Amino acid sequence: GEDVEQSLFLSVREGDSSVINCTYTDSSSTYLYWYKQEPGAGLQLLTYIFSNMDMKQDQRLTVLLNKKDKHLSLRIADTQTGDSAIYFCAEDRRGDKLIFGTGTRLQVFP
Amino acid sequence: GAVVSQHPSRVICKSGTSVKIECRSLDFQATTMFWYRQFPKQSLMLMATSNEGSKATYEQGVEKDKFLINHASLTLSTLTVTSAHPEDSSFYICSARRQGVGTEAFFGQGTRLTVV
Repeated sequence: GEDVEQSLFLSVREGDSSVINCTYTDSSSTYLYWYKQEPGAGLQLLTYIFSNMDMKQDQRLTVLLNKKDKHLSLRIADTQTGDSAIYFCAEDRRGDKLIFGTGTRLQVFP
Repeated sequence: GAVVSQHPSRVICKSGTSVKIECRSLDFQATTMFWYRQFPKQSLMLMATSNEGSKATYEQGVEKDKFLINHASLTLSTLTVTSAHPEDSSFYICSARRQGVGTEAFFGQGTRLTVV
């Protein structure tokens, strides 16, 4: 289908790792992105991965890309309460516009 | 990183009036800007793609006459919600990209529109 799918909700304990998954639709997407949105705010780009890469690591963030399955994941190591937010993946559909996933609400508890 | 400024951040208007939202790229030239709408607890829905000096390209189901988009310069795009109704109340977010495929998109902080 046309939708970029994500699981709706994830709850983790502080200090654990979080893994947020995304299934995208456009196999020709050049870049795939992860954004963070805190309540009432705009979007903050966390990281992105070029389509010819399988993995990208950026401090506590690790992005894995499986092009065959059109599956993208974001791993947050040592999750903190400040990481509580909604996380959106986005694909570069047909190379000119960003289409966002349904969003995953991450809740971190002590 | 680059900055995209969106104004106003919040606006309340009466039904039947029009509201203009501005999106500015402060330190780069944005040949393309995008307007999104976000309903509470939902994802961002792309409304239209705005190219400098040409007509905007609207996504299916978005009323062109209702949501007027103007991209008069390389640093400014505006969205005007005409004859606003309560169902137009939403969070509107713009984003801007530099020229070139695959370049990063920068987002404004969003505008919370409430129509009473």
